[in-house]
Amino acid sequence: RKEVEQDPGPFNVPEGATVAFNCTYSNSASQSFFWYRQDCRKEPKLLMSVYSSGNEDGRFTAQLNRASQYISLLIRDSKLSDSATYLCVVVTGTASKLTFGTGTRLQVTL
Amino acid sequence: ETGVTQSPTHLIKTRGQQVTLRCSSQSGHNTVSWYQQALGQGPQFIFQYYREEENGRGNFPPRFSGLQFPNYSSELNVNALELDDSALYLCASSFGGAGDTQYFGPGTRLTVL
Repeated sequence: RKEVEQDPGPFNVPEGATVAFNCTYSNSASQSFFWYRQDCRKEPKLLMSVYSSGNEDGRFTAQLNRASQYISLLIRDSKLSDSATYLCVVVTGTASKLTFGTGTRLQVTL
Repeated sequence: ETGVTQSPTHLIKTRGQQVTLRCSSQSGHNTVSWYQQALGQGPQFIFQYYREEENGRGNFPPRFSGLQFPNYSSELNVNALELDDSALYLCASSFGGAGDTQYFGPGTRLTVL
């Protein structure tokens, strides 16, 4: 079983739509969680950290469910510029090793 | 921009050759992590250096080795290149500590023929 699993998509949504991505992780000892965004042929960039209490940054909401080992990202009012691959990331252990999912591709269309 | 730089941006090598990739970390950061990203996959952790010492390693063979210098810049060396080593190599710098935000450089795209 992969350490971090994501649906690779692609998710094709119209502008203005709400879209949700999910991710599961296998190691219950994982201690930090993030969503990164990666544009085509570019480096990953931190989108937001994920907490059990949930956190929101503008149109983006992230949620962690430790009991189910499940992370989610909700994007409201999608923009064309949101088109990218969204990577679920988990940190386990003292080495701050980031474990990435394969990424979920989002394409927002007119 | 993150302030993390990598060189070269692109590189073409042949099987069996050796390659050295370089990374300059963001000012104030003492930790550098290296990742390999194959096409269509998420980045895979190679190893991490903290204050010039290796501080964790992923499932990569010993022909992948690294160094960190006193100014916290870093090198990734790959010996005996194989076709499957073709990938985007990313370095990420951070201040250190579990969960600390890692900032990625633009990557080096390596093609092995």
